[in-house]
Amino acid sequence: GDSVTQMEGPVTLSEEAFLTINCTYTATGYPSLFWYVQYPGEGLQLLLKATKADDKGSNKGFEATYRKETTSFHLEKGSVQVSDSAVYFCALSDQRGFKTIFGAGTRLFVKA
Amino acid sequence: NAGVTQTPKFQVLKTGQSMTLQCAQDMNHEYMSWYRQDPGMGLRLIHYSVGAGITDQGEVPNGYNVSRSTTEDFPLRLLSAAPSQTSVYFCASSYFRVTVDNEQFFGPGTRLTVL
Repeated sequence: GDSVTQMEGPVTLSEEAFLTINCTYTATGYPSLFWYVQYPGEGLQLLLKATKADDKGSNKGFEATYRKETTSFHLEKGSVQVSDSAVYFCALSDQRGFKTIFGAGTRLFVKA
Repeated sequence: NAGVTQTPKFQVLKTGQSMTLQCAQDMNHEYMSWYRQDPGMGLRLIHYSVGAGITDQGEVPNGYNVSRSTTEDFPLRLLSAAPSQTSVYFCASSYFRVTVDNEQFFGPGTRLTVL
């Protein structure tokens, strides 16, 4: 079945450091890919998304590129802030759009 | 718009008790779903619905029942609570299928502890 694997955390960075959170997937067909963010005590919020190979999703300085050849959707940000501290989830939606599969989540701590 | 609302925010049950987690949305979304979030496992789909009167199972449906009598509401029922159901439960909705053009909106969650 479909699955999503993302790097284990926690990831601890200093402010203004470069961030990469790796995500790879297994799926049949052409899934849609997402990154969600969860701040403490809250539900998930959509961060960015991509629908087809070589699409780049971006939002709030975060970027991820849909790489079909490597089945990856790595999250990057050039300069993190303390306010980026949260849990980040990689996810895919199957071709019908009825089921979303989430990765285990990666907790990010950013120190001032 | 209130978006997706969930009640209660916290609940403690004893093993064998039953309860219903409430979920409502005011965005006229056809698609609604329930997830559970456990440490190190991300979110796992319990049940979902593509419209009033239509429900289907997700990855981890055992021990849970759902029904969808209206577009707005999608309650999750625990028939006989077990400690393994201790988790944080999230309800979500989207206009129709979850695609890049149909964002999924999440409620604030219900933290359930089963003793």
